[in-house]
Amino acid sequence: AQSVAQPEDQVNVAEGNPLTVKCTYSVSGNPYLFWYVQYPNRGLQFLLKYITGDNLVKGSYGFEAEFNKSQTSFHLKKPSALVSDSALYFCASGSGNTGKLIFGQGTTLQVKP
Amino acid sequence: DAGVIQSPRHEVTEMGQEVTLRCKPISGHNSLFWYRQTMMRGLELLIYFNNNVPIDDSGMPEDRFSAKMPNASFSTLKIQPSEPRDSAVYFCASSLEGFNTEAFFGQGTRLTVV
Repeated sequence: AQSVAQPEDQVNVAEGNPLTVKCTYSVSGNPYLFWYVQYPNRGLQFLLKYITGDNLVKGSYGFEAEFNKSQTSFHLKKPSALVSDSALYFCASGSGNTGKLIFGQGTTLQVKP
Repeated sequence: DAGVIQSPRHEVTEMGQEVTLRCKPISGHNSLFWYRQTMMRGLELLIYFNNNVPIDDSGMPEDRFSAKMPNASFSTLKIQPSEPRDSAVYFCASSLEGFNTEAFFGQGTRLTVV
């Protein structure tokens, strides 16, 4: 069955440090993968996606993610965190076989000054 | 473009009443999605339209929920009768085409059924 796992409910980092938000997926066929961010009382905003091509994907606000097929992972990373990056982050996956996108439960990122 | 527009932003209603949520997708987008977000269940896809046609409504919880898309610029999600367990934030989103293009989300409608 198709699924997305974000193993950490919350990630805490200090401003200026690198951050990683983890995501693993399970789909049949070739996956497409997304990261979205949600600020309080707002809808989700697109950060980046992987469909095909380079495994390292660069997105908005300095975020990037690496597609790792053998580990079925798509972790979100940023070299230097900002306080303003504090938000709820969602990983989502789908495939042409499934025809729909499944979202993970979300990870709250807290960046402390 | 103003983005995906949802109305109302907040709705408080009594159990048993009919509730209608509205959505205007981004012009030129062929796909429209309704999602529900709760603390317990996270973000769930309720229904997906492509070119105004419902493609997958398997996420609609039960017959009390219905959705329509009479034209490319308007969709509604109706709950009749509403129940307290329907309390959630309902998001509408649109994309150029299907699930493998980025979706743009509205600001959501926070529904409270008392």
